[in-house]
Amino acid sequence: GIQVEQSPPDLILQEGANSTLRCNFSDSVNNLQWFHQNPWGQLINLFYIPSGTKQNGRLSATTVATERYSLLYISSSQTTDSGVYFCAPKTGANNLFFGTGTRLTVIP
Amino acid sequence: DSGVTQTPKHLITATGQRVTLRCSPRSGDLSVYWYQQSLDQGLQFLIQYYNGEERAKGNILERFSAQQFPDLHSELNLSSLELGDSALYFCASSFSGGATDTQYFGPGTRLTVL
Repeated sequence: GIQVEQSPPDLILQEGANSTLRCNFSDSVNNLQWFHQNPWGQLINLFYIPSGTKQNGRLSATTVATERYSLLYISSSQTTDSGVYFCAPKTGANNLFFGTGTRLTVIP
Repeated sequence: DSGVTQTPKHLITATGQRVTLRCSPRSGDLSVYWYQQSLDQGLQFLIQYYNGEERAKGNILERFSAQQFPDLHSELNLSSLELGDSALYFCASSFSGGATDTQYFGPGTRLTVL
């Protein structure tokens, strides 16, 4: 299956700071989703973004499919942004392949 | 709230036992997926159903089985449980099960095998 690498593995931010999370994948994709797993374990959909750029409030994402990477931007971070962020592309198969995630801790 | 429901939220059982996890997809979604999240394997795909039929299989053990019923809810059966089966099990659903579908995840069932 497709290989997914996320960086950085861990990130600690002061509240109010901005950050960029990166996802590299090894194959062409026809779908890519970003998720936030909160401290209670819930996986929350952030973006469906196989290509291009999308924005939702303080979050935005960009996927450059031809170069096999996606970026998630978090601006003005809040303590509720803490958790693990997963990138999950999909190739020809119908299942998502999850990276190992970026663990974000936002401190007040 | 994604609209996908899973029961139970938590399950504690002993090695060698059998358990059943249940999932109801979002209204209108025909496809259901099961994923396992464990400390050593991360989040991995187990199996997918579409409108009652198995569509794709991932890293699902032979001790595990699943089915999707006519009302579209799905059950994941885990038997001869081992300590290593302790994990968070997620169900996801999507409309058509196709390559460009968005998958929506339920809250998960946390299984602890003692």
